[in-house]
Amino acid sequence: DIQMTQSPSTLSASVGDRVTITCRASQTISSWLAWYQQKPGKAPKLLIYKASSLESGVPSRFSGSGSGTEFTLTISSLQPDDFATYYCQQYNSFSRYTFGQGTRLEI
Amino acid sequence: QVQLAQSGGEVKKPGASVKVSCKTSGYTFSDYFMHWVRQAPGQGLEWMGWINPNSGGTNYAQKFQGRVTMTGDSSISTVYMELNRLRSDDTAVYYCAREGDGSAWYRFWGQGTLVTVSS
Repeated sequence: DIQMTQSPSTLSASVGDRVTITCRASQTISSWLAWYQQKPGKAPKLLIYKASSLESGVPSRFSGSGSGTEFTLTISSLQPDDFATYYCQQYNSFSRYTFGQGTRLEI
Repeated sequence: QVQLAQSGGEVKKPGASVKVSCKTSGYTFSDYFMHWVRQAPGQGLEWMGWINPNSGGTNYAQKFQGRVTMTGDSSISTVYMELNRLRSDDTAVYYCAREGDGSAWYRFWGQGTLVTVSS
């Protein structure tokens, strides 16, 4: 199975900061990567799909980039509502899909 | 609008089985694969498998093969996930999640069902 490794596991930041989360795949996945935001007690929310396509309704301060094995999620100017846990997910393989272990973004 | 409404929480004993339902509305049931994802307390997301509601075809993560069964009932637009031989480490929130347009990213999620396995 393809392994997804996120870094960092925890990120401390302040409102207004620019932050970047990295996700590395153990083998190439082209651009078949999604990013989700999850808050406690809630289902994940789709932010980005196909590595860089912004989901409808998601603020433009979120952006995704990368292809192959290395991907990034960038938040250009942190807002109070952005403090949450972020997951990447690969969906390259028709039969196996995997998530990164998560990045907790905290104040 | 698309909605995925899951059944309520369950408490089971080790060795028992649990069946979680996910009732869909707002789209054509047979048009999109449905996936199941679980999350143990304080842990990350874990993909379990998918079902093609059109054909009934399934694909399960190797970890769950032999223990999980995913089914669908088109007459009531509902999919089910049954997990057998429960262990304490199966305690988790189980989510159904609908595929996007031909790809396994998830725009729509159920609200989650907490399954607690405890003696």
